[in-house]
Amino acid sequence: GESVGLHLPTLSVQEGDNSIINCAYSNSASDYFIWYKQESGKGPQFIIDIRSNMDKRQGQRVTVLLNKTVKHLSLQIAATQPGDSAVYFCAELSGGSYIPTFGRGTSLIVHP
Amino acid sequence: GAGVSQSPSNKVTEKGKDVELRCDPISGHTALYWYRQSLGQGLEFLIYFQGNSAPDKSGLPSDRFSAERTGGSVSTLTIQRTQQEDSAVYLCASSFGDRVLQPQHFGDGTRLSIL
Repeated sequence: GESVGLHLPTLSVQEGDNSIINCAYSNSASDYFIWYKQESGKGPQFIIDIRSNMDKRQGQRVTVLLNKTVKHLSLQIAATQPGDSAVYFCAELSGGSYIPTFGRGTSLIVHP
Repeated sequence: GAGVSQSPSNKVTEKGKDVELRCDPISGHTALYWYRQSLGQGLEFLIYFQGNSAPDKSGLPSDRFSAERTGGSVSTLTIQRTQQEDSAVYLCASSFGDRVLQPQHFGDGTRLSIL
């Protein structure tokens, strides 16, 4: 399950389960959204993006859903693997701006 | 390699010293960003370069911080008279700046520790 405390929100899942990581964004004018994965000691790695004219976009084992009504973004990872363990965070960008706003992230822990 | 390269990967220095952090962006990327990431925190924007335009320095936390980008490629972030609160991971990212809706690609960062 997901817990929120003084540290990053954490989602613990079993290997093979599907994972859903959520992100609430703040700017209703944002029209581009990106999910990043950051492993310990590494820089953020691009996973998938979506534009505001779409509700859903699929990649390999990942799906991003966008609900503009409630300003909510989610990342679904199918058949989660131990190698998926990392911090995941979303970024939003509003039209005309080159500087994204990044969320704090969610720590995903996958148990073998 | 084809990715963003940062050096050094780790830097330990004494309070009051100056440090220089280097970033080699992906070839062809005209936009370059510097961010700071503290433990368990999100990315804090520092500075943005786009081509030959004047950089957006709005995120620099104090005048001890400065950055240059020479020849539209390599960038150096300089922190003068370092303080303990400067300890963090400094990340560089690049993107195709002429295409606004494009993801940034990050290096692995420089972990800076101020003693």
